[in-house]
Amino acid sequence: DIVMTQSHKFMSTSVGDRVSITCKASQDVSTAVAWYQQKPGQSPKLLIYWASTRHTGVPDRFTGSGSGTDYTLTISSVQAEDLALYYCQQHYSTPYTFGGGTKLEIK
Amino acid sequence: QVQLQQSGAELVKPGASVKLSCKASGYTFTSYYMYWVKQRPGQGLEWIGEINPSNGGTNFNEKFKSKATLTVDKSSSTAYMQLSSLTSEDSAVYYCTRSDGEGLDYWGQGTTLTVSS
Repeated sequence: DIVMTQSHKFMSTSVGDRVSITCKASQDVSTAVAWYQQKPGQSPKLLIYWASTRHTGVPDRFTGSGSGTDYTLTISSVQAEDLALYYCQQHYSTPYTFGGGTKLEIK
Repeated sequence: QVQLQQSGAELVKPGASVKLSCKASGYTFTSYYMYWVKQRPGQGLEWIGEINPSNGGTNFNEKFKSKATLTVDKSSSTAYMQLSSLTSEDSAVYYCTRSDGEGLDYWGQGTTLTVSS
């Protein structure tokens, strides 16, 4: 199975800051990476797929990038409502594994 | 609008089985694979498996092959997941979610399963 590693379990940031959340795959996944946002008590929501394509309705402050084994989700100007858990997932080969999640905390 | 409506919370005894449902609406049911994902309290997300509603073909995470059975009823646009031989390790929130190969774009609200005597 492909292991997706999000090395930061927590990240603390301030409103208006730029923040980058990273994800590393155990092998090349050819940009087949999606990012999800999960707020407390809610289902996950798709933000980005194919590493850099924004899902319908996602604000343009969310940007995905990366290739090979290394991927990044960047929020250009964090808003208070961005307080959430963020997960990466590879959709390259089954089982479609997820990273362990990064909790974004707003100072 | 696309909606995935999941069945309500379940409390079941160890050793029993349970069947969870996910009713799809707002799109052509057979055009998207349906996936099931497990989330234990305070834990991350685990992919259980997928089903192709057009032909019933399935693909599982090896870890769940003997635990989960996936089926669909095309007439009611409903996907089902049966979990067998339940233990406390199966207590979790289970989500159905759909995909056309480009991420999991819509999710159900989740079904909380509690396994307890």
